[in-house]
Amino acid sequence: QLQLQESGPGLVKPSETLSLTCTVSGGSITSTNYYWGWIRQPPGKGLEWIGSIFYTGTTYYNPSLKSRVTISVDTSRKQFSLKLTSVTAADTAVYYCARHVQNVVGHWFDPWGQGMLVTVSS
Amino acid sequence: DIQMTQSPSSVSASVGDRVTITCRASHDISSWLAWYQQKPGKAPKLLISAASKLQRGVPSRFSGLGSGTDFTLTISGLQPEDFATYYCQQANSFPPLTFGGGTKVEIK
Repeated sequence: QLQLQESGPGLVKPSETLSLTCTVSGGSITSTNYYWGWIRQPPGKGLEWIGSIFYTGTTYYNPSLKSRVTISVDTSRKQFSLKLTSVTAADTAVYYCARHVQNVVGHWFDPWGQGMLVTVSS
Repeated sequence: DIQMTQSPSSVSASVGDRVTITCRASHDISSWLAWYQQKPGKAPKLLISAASKLQRGVPSRFSGLGSGTDFTLTISGLQPEDFATYYCQQANSFPPLTFGGGTKVEIK
């Protein structure tokens, strides 16, 4: 059964870079059927897609965050990573990684990691 | 970007009730819509893809309908474990993928 697990610092200072890694287990990260995505959820608020990556390195980003986001993949470690630069308190959120399914009938996320709260504070 | 509007933002219901949640897209998204269930402190769980395709293991009391701009998620016979927040997500215009604001189903 495919599982995803986020890891990284839970506290980041304003203006610094948020860095998270998602480790995939129980399945292949190089499947041609899937992308791998990051989604975030500020406390008490809704979900926001950040971006997704294919195992070849092809990326898609939310235009609202594109100038600050980089997603990369390390297939040998079965990991993909998120970097978000110049963070502010508005970037405080639970960050989820998820498998991004894309086919002829749409895009959706399944399964998801358990999520990781990242707080931006000095 | 395609905006997704869910209504109501919250609903109070009793066990056994039928609950319907609506999701409206700002543009035609055909049947490219997914529904998720999120319980407090947990990650979202995919319930339905392609507007009406129930995922494996999801109880049949959940159903999805719609196409174009108007979609519904119906829970027929609400169970205690169904009290949660539900989100729709459009999957037609990519990037970006966008979610609705969520509907919280609370115990009456």
